[in-house]
Amino acid sequence: EPEVTQTPSHQVTQMGQEVILRCVPISNHLYFYWYRQILGQKVEFLVSFYNNEISEKSEIFDDQFSVERPDGSNFTLKIRSTKLEDSAMYFCASSETKTGSDTQYFGPGTRLTVL
Amino acid sequence: GNSVTQMEGPVTLSEEAFLTINCTYTATGYPSLFWYVQYPGEGLQLLLKATKADDKGSNKGFEATYRKETTSFHLEKGSVQVSDSAVYFCALSSGGSNYKLTFGKGTLLTVNP
Repeated sequence: EPEVTQTPSHQVTQMGQEVILRCVPISNHLYFYWYRQILGQKVEFLVSFYNNEISEKSEIFDDQFSVERPDGSNFTLKIRSTKLEDSAMYFCASSETKTGSDTQYFGPGTRLTVL
Repeated sequence: GNSVTQMEGPVTLSEEAFLTINCTYTATGYPSLFWYVQYPGEGLQLLLKATKADDKGSNKGFEATYRKETTSFHLEKGSVQVSDSAVYFCALSSGGSNYKLTFGKGTLLTVNP
């Protein structure tokens, strides 16, 4: 069964450093998402992406964040200058269509630890 | 805005017990409702969904009915197994131009043999 993959599974970085989290969505999917979950809190929407541009972003997704689809398979989330409060599990998801009823398929997550 | 409220956990049950995890929501428009499950060390997997009022989603013995009048989508299973131990997330998508999922906090279920 096709699945969303994410690398790395765990990333440790120093505050102020840039990190890039990578995702490979399901191959025929056109809509891509990033969510995050701070330990003990809700899973929160960060950004959605379609046709090489951001469709929607949350207030969390400030200028420190960016997303890119550099080729036909990868979808990346970059954090330019990490802060302690960026420590969280980051989930990538993809869906075939953009209807509200469509299923979003999630990857296993990248745990980001900012020291 | 949209919100999802889930029953606080953790929930601990013995094998073959009946499970209910409550979920209520607030949303604009006509949301689709989902239950996702996260097994230890894994990502979020869709367990079931319902896209309109009175629909019942079901999978692996789990069921949830979309109740518009009570804005609820409670998850039930008649007889849980040890392998059902996981974190369960209720979520909604309000459709229209808003495709993002809004999640509840998650409920940790532990099933003991």
